Amino acid sequence: QVQLQESGPGLVKPSETLSLTCTISGDSVTSANYYWSWIRQPPGKGLEWIGYIYYSGSTNYNPSLKSRVTMSVDTSKKQFSLKLSSVTAADTAVYYCARSPYSSFKVLWFDPWGQGTLVTVSS
Amino acid sequence: DIQMTQSPSSLSASVGDRVTITCQASQDISNSLNWYQQKPGKAPKLLIYDASNLETGVPSRFSGSGFGTDFTFTISSLQPEDIATYYCQQYDNLPLTFGGGTKVEIK
Repeated sequence: QVQLQESGPGLVKPSETLSLTCTISGDSVTSANYYWSWIRQPPGKGLEWIGYIYYSGSTNYNPSLKSRVTMSVDTSKKQFSLKLSSVTAADTAVYYCARSPYSSFKVLWFDPWGQGTLVTVSS
Repeated sequence: DIQMTQSPSSLSASVGDRVTITCQASQDISNSLNWYQQKPGKAPKLLIYDASNLETGVPSRFSGSGFGTDFTFTISSLQPEDIATYYCQQYDNLPLTFGGGTKVEIK
């Protein structure tokens, strides 16, 4: 059974960089048919896709965040990571990692999801 | 970006009622649509993929239909454990986008 777990600081200061890691159990980050995604949800609001990464390092980011997002993968640790720079209060959200199957040149859906981690941007 | 418009944004129904949620895409997305259930304080869970396919282990009272721009999600007989917010999500084009959600409550 695949499980994902997010980790990282729960509080980040404005203008600094948010850094989160997702640890995978029950699967390999090098699985050929899966990408690894980040999604966020501001308190009381809807879901926003941030981006995804393949184990080779290939990425695709939401254009709304692209200038501030960097994703990476550590195959030896079965982890993938998210960095979001120059954060503001608008980046306060629950951040989720998820596995995404890939077929016919498209990433399809998000399943399963990690439990999520709340990151608050405040001084 | 493809905009996904869900309606209603919230609804209240009785146990045993049939509940229907709609999701409209701003352009043709074929059957590239998924539905998720998010219970309070929990991560979303995939229920329906490719517009009408039930994820393994999901009760059969949940169903989905539609093609192109108009999609429907149905709970045939609402149960207390179905209290949640439901989201649609398209994967036809990047960026991947979600509907605004429908909060389902018990009357």
